Amino acid sequence: DAGVTQSPTHLIKTRGQQVTLRCSPKSGHDTVSWYQQALGQGPQFIFQYYEEEERQRGNFPDRFSGHQFPNYSSELNVNALLLGDSALYLCASSLVGGPQETQYFGPGTRLLVL
Amino acid sequence: KQEVTQIPAALSVPEGENLVLNCSFTDSAIYNLQWFRQDPGKGLTSLLLIQSSQREQTSGRLNASLDKSSGRSTLYIAASQPGDSATYLCAVGDNTDKLIFGTGTRLQVFP
Repeated sequence: DAGVTQSPTHLIKTRGQQVTLRCSPKSGHDTVSWYQQALGQGPQFIFQYYEEEERQRGNFPDRFSGHQFPNYSSELNVNALLLGDSALYLCASSLVGGPQETQYFGPGTRLLVL
Repeated sequence: KQEVTQIPAALSVPEGENLVLNCSFTDSAIYNLQWFRQDPGKGLTSLLLIQSSQREQTSGRLNASLDKSSGRSTLYIAASQPGDSATYLCAVGDNTDKLIFGTGTRLQVFP
């Protein structure tokens, strides 16, 4: 079991550009959540996808959007990048209705906006 | 709005000490509470999950307690080792698997 995988591991973009980050959940999981972690801070919830729909959303602007595919993998898209979008982006997977268990996090994608 | 606070923000101790990390949350209506470890620049590794109906969980040298009524959890690390050096994050969860994190405690254990 590969666990949660994310790609790419690192990314450098310039202000105004657009970026797409990818996540594959742990085998058997159907829900993907995305978090943004700025340097020295705890992760902040961006949104969650289940059954290819955005199930809930945190306090992030519409520049942040996502998608979930039939195989449960997910993408996070950020448009019109700002310097403040520089952060570690973490993906977590879980199973809706399953036994209460820890969420599994991927290694993250480090995004630097110049 | 749920807010999670962790104290202390940073801790530096000699090897062998027993440690207590604190986590507090403002809304006691939680589904569970989790403690994670994060090494520099890396993802999160789950350490312990305490369901809202439980009072504590143990794994090896780690013990986490939960007091929902007072909005507090503690992570106890026994006989600390240099390999325990990392940032420890506390997160409260709801029944939709959304997590709200604290800002973490950065721990350094020196030989």
